[in-house]
Amino acid sequence: TQLLEQSPQFLSIQEGENLTVYCNSSSVFSSLQWYRQEPGEGPVLLVTVVTGGEVKKLKRLTFQFGDARKDSSLHITAAQPGDTGLYLCAGDKVQGAQKLVFGQGTRLTINP
Amino acid sequence: GAGVSQSPRYKVAKRGQDVALRCDPISGHVSLFWYQQALGQGPEFLTYFQNEAQLDKSGLPSDRFFAERPEGSVSTLKIQRTQQEDSAVYLCASSLRGAAAFEQFFGPGTRLTVL
Repeated sequence: TQLLEQSPQFLSIQEGENLTVYCNSSSVFSSLQWYRQEPGEGPVLLVTVVTGGEVKKLKRLTFQFGDARKDSSLHITAAQPGDTGLYLCAGDKVQGAQKLVFGQGTRLTINP
Repeated sequence: GAGVSQSPRYKVAKRGQDVALRCDPISGHVSLFWYQQALGQGPEFLTYFQNEAQLDKSGLPSDRFFAERPEGSVSTLKIQRTQQEDSAVYLCASSLRGAAAFEQFFGPGTRLTVL
């Protein structure tokens, strides 16, 4: 059983479209992080959200942490081929914990 | 270099062989983490070091897995008597401080294939 469930697992859309990726859990997390991973490389941190209800924007990417700190979403506006990659959410259940729990990832393909 | 480096990048082992995977963290980073990433999955935590102390090894799947960081810098993940189910990408990450909320910088991983 995955502690963090991401949906959808695969998404293929056309350039210019908008999309939302979800990361859900029945557990409360101290913080949630979103990573992007390219083939043959390690994950690269995009953002960390720590407060329930928090919204962070990174250019065309908008990240939201649920009020109850059990879920998060990533919204991409006007997707571009350069956004293609594996998007991973990860959380730490206890503040100050050292290990991250990852979702299974969403593989996003943006077609030109 | 500026980032986390791992070697080898690719390793093919016959079932039953021992392997050693190396991680060079970012200089000055106190914390070091090992994760296992199966094909099509997200990384799964294996173990965590703060300096040379292994503070959490709860994710190691069996006693065939052993990790060390004797001088608080370079770390080695050793897998004894490899099995096919050990085939995965092994990722190393380092962070400046211990808490998970601090950014972890990942290396490119070592892809292990056990035949």
